[in-house]
Amino acid sequence: DIQMTQSPSFLSASVGDRVTINCKASQNINKYLNWYQQKLGEAPKLLIYNTNNLQTGIPSRFSGSGSGTDYTLTISSLQPEDVATYFCLQHSSRPTFGGGTKLELK
Amino acid sequence: QVQLEESGPGLMQPSETLSLTCTVSGFSLTSNGVGWVRQPLGKGLVWMGTIWAGGSTNYNSAVQSRLSISRDTSKSQVFLKMNSLQPEDTGTYYCASHRFDYWGQGVMVTVSS
Repeated sequence: DIQMTQSPSFLSASVGDRVTINCKASQNINKYLNWYQQKLGEAPKLLIYNTNNLQTGIPSRFSGSGSGTDYTLTISSLQPEDVATYFCLQHSSRPTFGGGTKLELK
Repeated sequence: QVQLEESGPGLMQPSETLSLTCTVSGFSLTSNGVGWVRQPLGKGLVWMGTIWAGGSTNYNSAVQSRLSISRDTSKSQVFLKMNSLQPEDTGTYYCASHRFDYWGQGVMVTVSS
């Protein structure tokens, strides 16, 4: 199975900051990488699919990039409502998730 | 509008068999697959298995020997059955479209004696 290593596991940032979260795959996943936001007690919400495609209704401050084994989620200007845990998911083969990044306000 | 809703018992005893149902609306199971994902309390997400539009299945090797996913297309329902439950199977179980773009709200399952 493909392993997904997500970093950092915890992130503290201020409103307006640029935030980046990374996922590294154990092998090439050919851009089959999604990003999710999960708030406490809620189901995961798709933000970005296939590396850099913004899901309908998601604010444009969220963006994704990457190729091969390395992928990044960027929040261009952090808002209070962005406090959540973020996960990556590779679906190049049997799906595997990153370990998650808990994002809090400083 | 695509919707998925999980249902099933909240409390199970060790060694029992878990049966969960995912009822979908807004899309056809003969055109779309459905996957199951588990999340232990306070932890990350783990894919358990997927049933594809054609009816074939793939399972996570870690639970493959205990897990079965099936469906009733006429009722728009997908079923998860997992036997020999242990306390470590405790968590929230989600069903999602096979692209993982639509998710149910999840059902919490506790395995405890």
